[in-house]
Amino acid sequence: GDSVTQKQGQVTLSEDDFLFINCTYSTTTYPTLFWYVQYPGQGPQLLLKVTTANNKGISRGFEATYDKGTTSFHLQKASVQESDSAVYFCALDSGTYQRFGTGTKLQVVP
Amino acid sequence: NAGVIQTPRHKVTGKGQEATLWCEPISGHSAVFWYRQTIVQGLEFLTYFRNQAPIDDSGMPKERFSAQMPNQSHSTLKIQSTQPQDSAVYLCASSWTGGPANTGQLYFGEGSKLTVL
Repeated sequence: GDSVTQKQGQVTLSEDDFLFINCTYSTTTYPTLFWYVQYPGQGPQLLLKVTTANNKGISRGFEATYDKGTTSFHLQKASVQESDSAVYFCALDSGTYQRFGTGTKLQVVP
Repeated sequence: NAGVIQTPRHKVTGKGQEATLWCEPISGHSAVFWYRQTIVQGLEFLTYFRNQAPIDDSGMPKERFSAQMPNQSHSTLKIQSTQPQDSAVYLCASSWTGGPANTGQLYFGEGSKLTVL
């Protein structure tokens, strides 16, 4: 069945560091891929979405590229800020419901 | 424009009691999803409705969990005979489905935190 894997449980960075969060997926379809961000006490909210048509999503300085060859959808940001501290989820939608990775907690220290 | 509304935000029950959680989706959204979030399991899909009809409940524990959507503005998740392992944050989400494949973003509520003592 479809699945999403996030291997990094927690990432700690300093402000202005480069962010890279790994996400790989497995599916027999051409899915839509999402990154969601969750702040304490809130539900996840969409950060960006990528389909097979556009291949790359950019939002609020974050970007992710859909790589069918390596079945990866890594999240990157050139320079993180303390306000980016949150939990980030990669998700896959192959036409039914969205399947989520286990999440990566990002802590940015000043 | 109000987001997805979930009530109660916090519920504490004793083992064996019943818990009912409510969700009001965003007006105009045709799909409603329920997920369960725990530290250990992460975000687990439970069930979803499209145009009020149940579509997929493959994530629901069959014996004690049930979900309904009696009208387009309201869905409930009921857990009978709650157990400590049911303790989690239950998240409701809605989305607009513009075509046969559901590729729309999910709009989540803030969740209902269930604690079973």
